[in-house]
Amino acid sequence: QQQVKQSPQSLIVQKGGISIINCAYENTAFDYFPWYQQFPGKGPALLIAIRPDVSEKKEGRFTISFNKSAKQFSLHIMDSQPGDSATYFCAASKTGGGNKLTFGTGTQLKVEL
Amino acid sequence: DADVTQTPRNRITKTGKRIMLECSQTKGHDRMYWYRQDPGLGLRLIYYSFDVKDINKGEISDGYSVSRQAQAKFSLSLESAIPNQTALYFCATSDWDRGDYEQYFGPGTRLTVT
Repeated sequence: QQQVKQSPQSLIVQKGGISIINCAYENTAFDYFPWYQQFPGKGPALLIAIRPDVSEKKEGRFTISFNKSAKQFSLHIMDSQPGDSATYFCAASKTGGGNKLTFGTGTQLKVEL
Repeated sequence: DADVTQTPRNRITKTGKRIMLECSQTKGHDRMYWYRQDPGLGLRLIYYSFDVKDINKGEISDGYSVSRQAQAKFSLSLESAIPNQTALYFCATSDWDRGDYEQYFGPGTRLTVT
């Protein structure tokens, strides 16, 4: 049972462009929504996270947009750079449930020159 | 992240063999997790531990067992490995009890079962 659906599976963006990755969740009890970035040969690392009490969170070139009524959230990468090429995972958890993360299936992003 | 280490980094084993993957952390976190990563499936939780005496099954625990030997060590065992357990395995920790929801992942173990 896939509780967090992520799309697209892969994405190619030109340098300087905007990368957008979308996720949808089913469990309304989820209250913590992180995005993890993974480079080849490395473990995932937290990129940015949001709680449902805000609709947007921005950190540098990375922005999470959150739509509670639609049960969707997305990651926007502005001015995409080749160094952003990685796999991105959205996730969700119930912070009161021990922080067990339910991950999306991942998006492989390639930023071309 | 050198604070969370996993051994071995790569392992090839045969069907039916018992294998143990080890995870150690120097972050002082109580909570530890084992995930499995497969292409197109993301990361799925195998087992998690809130402290040395509290171990819980995740969504795909069948065929796996774990041991929390100390706060810093959490091992994953495959009692009788099968080919569909070929995957990338990650250990993670978190300081959830202190309000830090971030999970810190190790570098992973690539396991191949032939």
